[in-house]
Amino acid sequence: SQELEQSPQSLIVQEGKNLTINCTSSKTLYGLYWYKQKYGEGLIFLMMLQKGGEEKSHEKITAKLDEKKQQSSLHITASQPSHAGIYLCGADIGGTSYGKLTFGQGTILTVHP
Amino acid sequence: DGGITQSPKYLFRKEGQNVTLSCEQNLNHDAMYWYRQDPGQGLRLIYYSQIVNDFQKGDIAEGYSVSREKKESFPLTVTSAQKNPTAFYLCASSRDTQGYGYTFGSGTRLTVV
Repeated sequence: SQELEQSPQSLIVQEGKNLTINCTSSKTLYGLYWYKQKYGEGLIFLMMLQKGGEEKSHEKITAKLDEKKQQSSLHITASQPSHAGIYLCGADIGGTSYGKLTFGQGTILTVHP
Repeated sequence: DGGITQSPKYLFRKEGQNVTLSCEQNLNHDAMYWYRQDPGQGLRLIYYSQIVNDFQKGDIAEGYSVSREKKESFPLTVTSAQKNPTAFYLCASSRDTQGYGYTFGSGTRLTVV
């Protein structure tokens, strides 16, 4: 089983709709990262969360790390076709990984115009 | 501009061949990492290096080898011992051993023919 579980695994939405992607761990998360990837390309950094309850926003994307630091959510408001891609969460699980990130399996987002 | 360069973008390997994937960064980052990405499995860590002339095995190191002779370079060799090498390979670097400033290259797609 994955140490970081993302849900849903895939998501198809109509342009303009809101959506949420979740990233869950059974262990405390230290340094939770959200990335976006276009198929066949590298990962683009979106946001990093460290403190429980922390919330960050960039344009129409908001990410939050819950108080217990075991779950993060990524919310997109009024989705656009440019939001389509694979979203991955990565985290230092346990706090002693010396920069090694563990990743979720990714969520494939499709936005229909 | 600073960044990470992976080459080649596409690579084809015959059965029994060793191939080397290049990863170069000009970000002056201390730590470098190699991940493998397969559909539906997210990213899995192959090797990582926190300092020149030192590297550690990740979760799936069997069939792979690396070197870190220069701070800027962290090449990955996929040996003939790797039974299922077809995958997308991503190189990353971070500013320090805590994973801050994690940056990814654009990836190399390796196919066995």
